[in-house]
Parts: sequence; structure tokens; C-alpha cells
Amino acid sequence: AQSVTQLGSHVSVSEGALVLLRCNYSSSVPPYLFWYVQYPNQGLQLLLKYTTGATLVKGINGFEAEFKKSETSFHLTKPSAHMSDAAEYFCAVTRRGNNFNKFYFGSGTKLNVKP
Amino acid sequence: NAGVTQTPKFQVLKTGQSMTLQCAQDMNHNSMYWYRQDPGMGLRLIYYSASEGTTDKGEVPNGYNVSRLNKREFSLRLESAAPSQTSVYFCASTALLAGGTDTQYFGPGTRLTVL
Repeated sequence: AQSVTQLGSHVSVSEGALVLLRCNYSSSVPPYLFWYVQYPNQGLQLLLKYTTGATLVKGINGFEAEFKKSETSFHLTKPSAHMSDAAEYFCAVTRRGNNFNKFYFGSGTKLNVKP
Repeated sequence: NAGVTQTPKFQVLKTGQSMTLQCAQDMNHNSMYWYRQDPGMGLRLIYYSASEGTTDKGEVPNGYNVSRLNKREFSLRLESAAPSQTSVYFCASTALLAGGTDTQYFGPGTRLTVL
């Protein structure tokens, strides 16, 4: 079975400060990991993903995440927050394999950016 | 490419009424999904279709039915709407690649209120 835990349903940072959103996953097989962003009244957009290869993954808008197998983590970071980063962020996991697999989402973290 | 489209964007129903939410994708994806999003609960899978011609229940299927009309279209039907079905509904689709299920792409959502 697979699952995702996002620590902190709300995170608040000042503009220009480091953004760190935490994601831990549970998977008995090698995972594919994703971060999605949702702006108010919109659908989810892919921010970045890890499938294979380099464990540090860079995404859009200056975000990056590092896959740490030993810690079963895939935390999302951005060195300097911008007001436009205020949104809800979802971590998701699916499994590698040749067949169809479902996605499992965390419950989301709302990021507030203070001026 | 329009990606994933959903209709309608908004809907208000009375208890007991029925309606169908429409979803279409133009990315030639194999798999399609219906989720509901409620505050603090993240995304919950209602039904999915791994490939054309197949559908399966997700974690919250009660009160819903689906039809995979063809490879492009996947509809969600509420036969007798209840206030507990007030939610935002998202359709998503994925390609199935050699290494496994790839990125989910989401539609803009349908905001449903049941009075």
C-alpha cells in the first residue's frame, strides 16, 4: 500500500524567506513522486516530479525537491518566497511498474506569504 | 491542445435531483479519474478508468456512477444528489508509459452545491 503524509496543513513565511514544505511517503516498491500546486479556484498543476535518475529535481517557479529514499521524504523547497507562491501544495505518489497504478495524494499544505 | 476540459464549471442542485459531469481530454491518455476535493481532506478518488472499456471504484464511490464513453471522455453521474455531495469535482488523465503511470493532468473543476 502507498500513502503520503504532509506535515503542516498551513505554513506561513515572509516574502524572501525560505519555503520548506514537508512530504513523507510510504511505498513498498520504488515510487514516482510529484508535487502539484493549486491556486484559488483552479485545478492542480504539476510543479515537479521524480521518476528515476537524479534525486534533486527542479521544477517551475524556482521550486525544487529532493528524493531521499532513506528518509522516505520528498520535501519541497524554494530559496526565496514570492507573494505569487501563495497557494495550496499537494504531494502525490504512485508506483513504478508496467501496469496502471493509482495516485495517492497528501491532504495538502496551504502556503501563506506575508509581505 | 485544450488538455482536460470539464463541464459545467458551476452547478446548484436540489436534493434528489440528478446530473452528469462531463470530462474530456485531447492528449490521447489511457487512464482517467474522478476526484472530489473537500476542505482539509485533500483529493479523494471516486472512480477511475485504467483504460478504455474499464472502470473501477475508488475510495468514495457511493452515490456516483461513471461511464467511459470512449478514449477521450469520462463522465460522472449523480443519480440522486445529497447535500453531502457538495464539493469540487476534478477530472484527471494520465498516460501509461513504459515505466509506469505518468503525470496526472487535471481539469479546472466543477463546483457543485446541493441544497
